[in-house]
Amino acid sequence: AQSVAQPEDQVNVAEGNPLTVKCTYSVSGNPYLFWYVQYPNRGLQFLLKYITGDNLVKGSYGFEAEFNKSQTSFHLKKPSALVSDSALYFCAVRPQNRDDKIIFGKGTRLHILP
Amino acid sequence: DSGVTQTPKHLITATGQRVTLRCSPRSGDLSVYWYQQSLDQGLQFLIQYYNGEERAKGNILERFSAQQFPDLHSELNLSSLELGDSALYFCASSVALVGELFFGEGSRLTVL
Repeated sequence: AQSVAQPEDQVNVAEGNPLTVKCTYSVSGNPYLFWYVQYPNRGLQFLLKYITGDNLVKGSYGFEAEFNKSQTSFHLKKPSALVSDSALYFCAVRPQNRDDKIIFGKGTRLHILP
Repeated sequence: DSGVTQTPKHLITATGQRVTLRCSPRSGDLSVYWYQQSLDQGLQFLIQYYNGEERAKGNILERFSAQQFPDLHSELNLSSLELGDSALYFCASSVALVGELFFGEGSRLTVL
């Protein structure tokens, strides 16, 4: 079965420190990978995506993610966290060789401590 | 602002009733997706339409149905509502079948 795992329900990071939000996936074939952020009482906002090419993808608000095919991971990173980064983060995958269903992880709540 | 419009923003109704949620995608987007978000189930994919045709189906109950109209707006119909249907329902759109999704602000349904 195809799936996306975000192993941490919550991540706490001090402001100014680097942050990592983990995501691993299990799909057949080469996937399209996405990160979204959700602020309270808002819809999800697109952060970045990996389709092909460079394994390091840069996105909005200073976030980046690294695609690792051997480890089937797509971790979200930021060199220096801001309090305003506190939100719910979702990893998503769309299998290339299947129907068009996009699978979302359960989400990781990121708390940036001042 | 993502450009995706959902109405109503909030809806309170009783068990057994029927409601319709409406979504207008971003201008030019042909694909519309519906998701249900609840505290215990996370973000669940319900159904996807592309240019008026059903493209993919997820965990959508038989009591739920959806359609995409010629002007590309979509409606999600929820009938015989149960307490467990209380959730946030999101619509999202994308230009093509492989692009990123743009989400609306959601419709919060409360079933009493």
